[in-house]
Amino acid sequence: QVHLVQSGAEVKKPGASVKVSCTAFGYIFTNYGISWIRQAPGQGLEWMAWISAHNGGTNYAQSLQGRVTLTTDTSTNTAYMELRSLTSDDTAVYYCARDDYGGNSNWFEPWGQGTLVTVSS
Amino acid sequence: DIQMTQSPSSLSASVGDRVTITCRASQTITKYLNWYQQKPGRAPKLLIYSASSLQSGVPSRFSGSGSGTDFTLTISSLQPEDFADYYCQQSYNTPRTFGQGTKVEIK
Repeated sequence: QVHLVQSGAEVKKPGASVKVSCTAFGYIFTNYGISWIRQAPGQGLEWMAWISAHNGGTNYAQSLQGRVTLTTDTSTNTAYMELRSLTSDDTAVYYCARDDYGGNSNWFEPWGQGTLVTVSS
Repeated sequence: DIQMTQSPSSLSASVGDRVTITCRASQTITKYLNWYQQKPGRAPKLLIYSASSLQSGVPSRFSGSGSGTDFTLTISSLQPEDFADYYCQQSYNTPRTFGQGTKVEIK
């Protein structure tokens, strides 16, 4: 069945970088995009960025522009999210989600299981 | 950015109750509105897409309506497994934005 599997939890120091992976199963990877969404402890959902698995095109939230980079490896059906210059405000669960579509509409389904990134000195 | 505002932020209800959650966009998003359910420690799950289309496998007690700026998620008869957080999300443009969430608790 269609599902996404993310890499494990990370603990990083302020100023460091983190790279989270998201491997897709059960569908043609290059037919869809992948979005990344994060959720700080006890908070709501924040969309971060999107990448086309077809051509590598990207779209980043302005608040993260310059600190986040999305890539894909079509040989392993894996998407990556790298976030640099980490601060405590980046402590969150990071989700990848397939950008599903119909007509002109898009939605996130399915989601990965989430990766907890903790930034602490 | 399009701001999404949900109300209420939380509600208490009993099993069998009819529950309504509203979502308002700061500008028209036509029908490009999705609803998700999130249980503690779990990833969100898609319930409704394009304002009123029920995602495959989602019980028919969930329904969505609305267009333009005002949208509604309705649970016709609340079940024990429905106690969770609910989020709306617009896909009209980027950045994709979410409502702040509605927590549905047991009364």
